[in-house]
Amino acid sequence: EAGVTQSPTHLIKTRGQQATLRCSPISGHTSVYWYQQALGLGLQFLLWYDEGEERNRGNFPPRFSGRQFPNYSSELNVNALELEDSALYLCASSFQSSTEAFFGQGTRLTVV
Amino acid sequence: DAKTTQPNSMESNEEEPVHLPCNHSTISGTDYIHWYRQLPSQGPEYVIHGLTSNVNNRMASLAIAEDRKSSTLILHRATLRDAAVYYCIPNLDFGNEKLTFGTGTRLTIIP
Repeated sequence: EAGVTQSPTHLIKTRGQQATLRCSPISGHTSVYWYQQALGLGLQFLLWYDEGEERNRGNFPPRFSGRQFPNYSSELNVNALELEDSALYLCASSFQSSTEAFFGQGTRLTVV
Repeated sequence: DAKTTQPNSMESNEEEPVHLPCNHSTISGTDYIHWYRQLPSQGPEYVIHGLTSNVNNRMASLAIAEDRKSSTLILHRATLRDAAVYYCIPNLDFGNEKLTFGTGTRLTIIP
């Protein structure tokens, strides 16, 4: 059974551009979570989608947004990229319980 | 919210047992303690979790102090593949805006 898959694995953008990151959850999972893991800062919660709806949002500016599609896959969009947005972006998925989730390999975003 | 304290780094020889400590002195009575690890260039993966009594699975053992203010993850025979950052997380809720894995303990295995 396929795990959580994220694409692309690496992404290089220039400051001011937009980035789109994609996540496909484990089959049957309806919740998708997004996290930012910047160097030396640990993993920080970004967004939670469940059944197509945004359920919760972390302390990030509005230029971080996303959506969940009917097939439960999800996109994370980051507008007006800043150098500080360079990080590993992780997606996780779960079914019914928000205390058990599985992570993807992440997308390494580099803003230059 | 429960705060955790873990050593920044630890080293262990291959095939030796490893004890990774975590202090969570502000944990509430109903909070489970989860441990995750993150291998290089990968997302975090589940290791083990427990509430009060000690727990064992194929990956590790979890020893929880009687007062629940601390716990220890035990790898019985460390291998090179166990080199990772280990995170101790009380009250894990993936959808909580306060969720943070912290900086964890970077475990280095010496061949």
